[in-house]
Amino acid sequence: QTVVTQEPSLTVSPGGTVTLTCASSTGAVTSGDYPNWIQKKPGQAPRALIYSTNNKHSWTPARFSGSLLGGKGALTLSGAQPEDEAEYYCLLYHGGAQFFGGGTKLTVL
Amino acid sequence: QVQLVQSGAEVKKPGASVKVSCEASGYTFVQYYMHWVRQAPGQGLEWMGRINPNSGGTMYAQSFQGRVTMTRDTSVTTAYMELSSLRSDDTAVYYCARWNSWGLEYWGQGTLVTVSS
Repeated sequence: QTVVTQEPSLTVSPGGTVTLTCASSTGAVTSGDYPNWIQKKPGQAPRALIYSTNNKHSWTPARFSGSLLGGKGALTLSGAQPEDEAEYYCLLYHGGAQFFGGGTKLTVL
Repeated sequence: QVQLVQSGAEVKKPGASVKVSCEASGYTFVQYYMHWVRQAPGQGLEWMGRINPNSGGTMYAQSFQGRVTMTRDTSVTTAYMELSSLRSDDTAVYYCARWNSWGLEYWGQGTLVTVSS
C-alpha cells in the first residue's frame, strides 16, 4: 500500500509564490507515477489542475505549474490569488492503482 | 461538452448497500476509464477504483475489496458504483471522474451518502 505524503498546510501572500510537494513511500516520485494535482474547495467538486507531472488542462490557470523536485512531485503557484485558497491533493499511479496524498491546505493571506 | 451527472443523495442504514450512478454525455463513453473517489466529512480524497467502460474490467482499491462493485451500462452511457455492508464511516460524498491521458479530468457533481441508524 503506497502512502503519499504532503505538507498539511502552507501559507502564501497574495502575489507570492509557493511550492507544494508530494512524496511516495515507495521511493522517489518519477514521471512513471504520473503525478496529478487536484484542487478542492468546500462544497465544490474537485477540479483537476495538472496531470502526468506537468501537463495542464485547458482550464488550468497559467500561474499553476507541475514538476519533479528532489524526488518529489511538486505544484508551484506563482502569483497567488485569493481564489487559490483551497485544499490541494496529489494523486500518484502505482501498480495499476491510484493513491491520494492527505492534501495541503493552502491559505492566501 | 463533457458532463458527468450523478444520482441524488441517499440515506442508508448500517449494513445496507448503496448504488450511485454517473451518467456521461458529450463524449464517446467507452473510450475513457471512469474512476470513483470519495471524501468523508473533514477528511481527504480517497480513490476507490476504476472501470473500463469498454470491457467492463475493474480495479479496486485494497481497502474496498470485497465491498465495492463497479459496473456500467453502455446503452445509457452510465457508470455505477455499489458499496455494500455500509458503516457509519462510509458517510461521504462520492464522485465519479473521467480518466484521460494519465489524469483525472472531468468530475461529477458528487453524491452524498449518509449512513445512519
